[in-house]
Parts: sequence; structure tokens; C-alpha cells
Amino acid sequence: NAGVTQTPKFQVLKTGQSMTLQCAQDMNHNSMYWYRQDPGMGLRLIYYSASEGTTDKGEVPNGYNVSRLNKREFSLRLESAAPSQTSVYFCASSGTLNYEQYFGPGTRLTVT
Amino acid sequence: AQKITQTQPGMFVQEKEAVTLDCTYDTSDPSYGLFWYKQPSSGEMIFLIYQGSYDQQNATEGRYSLNFQKARKSANLVISASQLGDSAMYFCAMREGQAGGSYIPTFGRGTSLIVHP
Repeated sequence: NAGVTQTPKFQVLKTGQSMTLQCAQDMNHNSMYWYRQDPGMGLRLIYYSASEGTTDKGEVPNGYNVSRLNKREFSLRLESAAPSQTSVYFCASSGTLNYEQYFGPGTRLTVT
Repeated sequence: AQKITQTQPGMFVQEKEAVTLDCTYDTSDPSYGLFWYKQPSSGEMIFLIYQGSYDQQNATEGRYSLNFQKARKSANLVISASQLGDSAMYFCAMREGQAGGSYIPTFGRGTSLIVHP
């Protein structure tokens, strides 16, 4: 099993450009999450999806949109990138009855 | 107020010694869970250990144990017999809400552990 996969691993954008970060899990988990990690800040939740067809805002949703395409896939879109969105982005999933989250390898995004 | 507080930004330990990483939490929910994750320099997040608020015994997983003191609202991670590969960032996290449903976890800011040979 691949677990949680994310693409791309690295990305450089210019201010105002858009992009979509892709995430997929093969563990049949119901819940999926997008986090950003900035130095000294730990992980902050951007959006989450409790189950297929539902999405909700987390702590820092401004400037982002998400789509739960199906049970396996959860994408994060930046419509107009800003330098403040320079960060490492992690996707994670968890089963409804399991407590721990499984994380993807992360995407390092730089906005210039 | 922060829900998860990790007061040690950096810790150093000699190889083969034990080390305790501190975590305090704040919740009024009677049902909650506490996690520890490890993030090595390669960047991936690795789940280490979990403790539920109703669990009677402290959780253990190999060399990792969780010193859970409910009255003090602390959930410290104890690593026994440290190894060089334990050098990493360690994050404490909490979920609130009922078991069986989706939960929104909150992460602390992390503690950097360096193991010296």
C-alpha cells in the first residue's frame, strides 16, 4: 500500500498564479485533512473532510479551496497565490474509528 | 489560549539515556485523545503513540511511553534508551469530541530533540 501520496513534492509559483495540490489515500479512510507547516508554528489545519461529499474550514482557510473528489482524493487549490502561502503542505487521512492520522510526504511551496 | 503547549523548544540527551518531552493541554471535553508524532529531518510525520482520556493505563509502544496525568492535564512523552535516530522534531496533538466521529486535531509547536553519541 502506498498510504497517502501527494503531488507535487516541490513547487515555485509567482504571486497571483494558481495551482492545485493533489492528495490520495488507499487506506479506505473516511476523513482527510490539509495542513500547512511554518517554522515554529507546528501544523495548522486549513480544511478537512469528515467524509466523502463534505468539507469544512479549519483554522486557516483564507486563500484556499478544497474538493473531496471521491473517497480517495482530496485536493487543495490556491486561486491566487501570495508570498504568505509559502509553506510546507501536508495531507493526512484517518479512519472514522481509528484515532491516528497518516500523513503524506508533504509539498514544499514557494511563492515569489 | 493554546490548546496544546510544548514548553521545550529544544532538548538534548545522551545516547542510551531516557528523555521526557513535555506536553500540557487544555480542554473541557470529557472525551479526548492525545497523540505524539515524530518528524525527522526528512520531513515526514510519523505517528508514535496515542492515549485516550478514558484509558486507565498509560500507553506504551516499544521505547515510547506516555506519562498521562489527567488532573494536571499533561501527556508527556518518555523515550527510553535514546538512539541517534531519535533526533527529530516531536509534536504533541489533541483531538476533542466523541469517539467514532470525525475529529479536529490541534497540534503543539513541537520540541526539537537532539541525541548526542
